[in-house]
Amino acid sequence: AQRVTQPEKLLSVFKGAPVELKCNYSYSGSPELFWYVQYSRQRLQLLLRHISRESIKGFTADLNKGETSFHLKKPFAQEEDSAMYYCAPEGQGFSFIFGKGTRLLVKP
Amino acid sequence: NAGVTQTPKFRVLKTGQSMTLLCAQDMNHEYMYWYRQDPGMGLRLIHYSVGEGTTAKGEVPDGYNVSRLKKQNFLLGLESAAPSQTSVYFCASDQGGDNSPLHFGNGTRLTVT
Repeated sequence: AQRVTQPEKLLSVFKGAPVELKCNYSYSGSPELFWYVQYSRQRLQLLLRHISRESIKGFTADLNKGETSFHLKKPFAQEEDSAMYYCAPEGQGFSFIFGKGTRLLVKP
Repeated sequence: NAGVTQTPKFRVLKTGQSMTLLCAQDMNHEYMYWYRQDPGMGLRLIHYSVGEGTTAKGEVPDGYNVSRLKKQNFLLGLESAAPSQTSVYFCASDQGGDNSPLHFGNGTRLTVT
């Protein structure tokens, strides 16, 4: 069965500290992987996608096929990074399956 | 470009009442989705559509119906609302194909008393 696990509901760090939001997936095949972010009172939006190998707002995500993980990382957290983060592999068919989300709180 | 627009933004219903949530997108996207967001549950797919005139069930379809009569609109209906349907509802769309990201609406907060 397709499954996405984000083990931390809440991750609290101090400004300037490194951040790693974990995502593990259980899928057949090789799904495309995305991270979405929802800032307070804003719509959910795409943060980055694996295929692009990009760094957005200082975040990167590395796909580890052996561990089936797609952790989101940032070396130095900023207060404006506080938000809900969702890992979303592209599911079978046409749908996305979302993890339960991790709330990142960056304290001053 | 407005992107994905959801109406209404807020609604309170009594148990047994019906309502329709409207989602409109102006990006000529083929695929549209309805999700619900609940604390601790993340986003769960209710129904989706891969084109005008087509709909399909997602993870949690019971109690909801949808229609895609026009490509730009995707309607979510609750025929007889229940307190368990209290949630925040998000509409999303994408153009289809590999690596096409979702574009989300702002959400509709629905409370059923």
